[in-house]
Amino acid sequence: NAGVTQTPKFQVLKTGQSMTLQCAQDMNHEYMSWYRQDPGMGLRLIHYSVGAGITDQGEVPNGYNVSRSTTEDFPLRLLSAAPSQTSVYFCASSSAQPGGVGYTFGSGTRLTVV
Amino acid sequence: AQKVTQAQTEISVVEKEDVTLDCVYETRDTTYYLFWYKQPPSGELVFLIRRNSFDEQNEISGRYSWNFQKSTSSFNFTITASQVVDSAVYFCALSERTGANSKLTFGKGITLSVRP
Repeated sequence: NAGVTQTPKFQVLKTGQSMTLQCAQDMNHEYMSWYRQDPGMGLRLIHYSVGAGITDQGEVPNGYNVSRSTTEDFPLRLLSAAPSQTSVYFCASSSAQPGGVGYTFGSGTRLTVV
Repeated sequence: AQKVTQAQTEISVVEKEDVTLDCVYETRDTTYYLFWYKQPPSGELVFLIRRNSFDEQNEISGRYSWNFQKSTSSFNFTITASQVVDSAVYFCALSERTGANSKLTFGKGITLSVRP
């Protein structure tokens, strides 16, 4: 019963490199989202998905790409890393059912771009 | 557009004091959900409560209580007899579940420090 699993937990990238942050959930949740957390800014939505094959942009989508080929996985791709993308990234999932208990978050990925 | 305001940025109290964390929200929807999350120094986000817009009953869970008032668009969180372990960043959040919308909008968070 893992919930939401994010990998890696820590990553250092050089400017211009690309990488994929992995997110997997085993709760059969329809909704999945990516957020970034920066000091004094709270959590801001990057991209979200309401089901396999459906994604949409959030508040801060520039420089990131997502896809949702399965219900379980929702990877976040950094196309060309920039220092402004240094942040803590959280993946979350939620059930579409009215009685769902809310959003479950992964443990986060701390990314540093140098 | 939805918005969550946590006007307090940092609060410091002495252990056993009561403390209230304020949350004011904006939404055009009649159906929405409000949340509180706790982020301890270890960094994970811990779900505390979810409240839907049709349920204005206050809730108490141990030392924690929540006051939801639609008339003032507020969802305040009170910790009674605070403890050092309550030291964390607390986020209030809003979700408008209209159609396929799955966006969760967070406030900027309140850093609570409880001193022994």
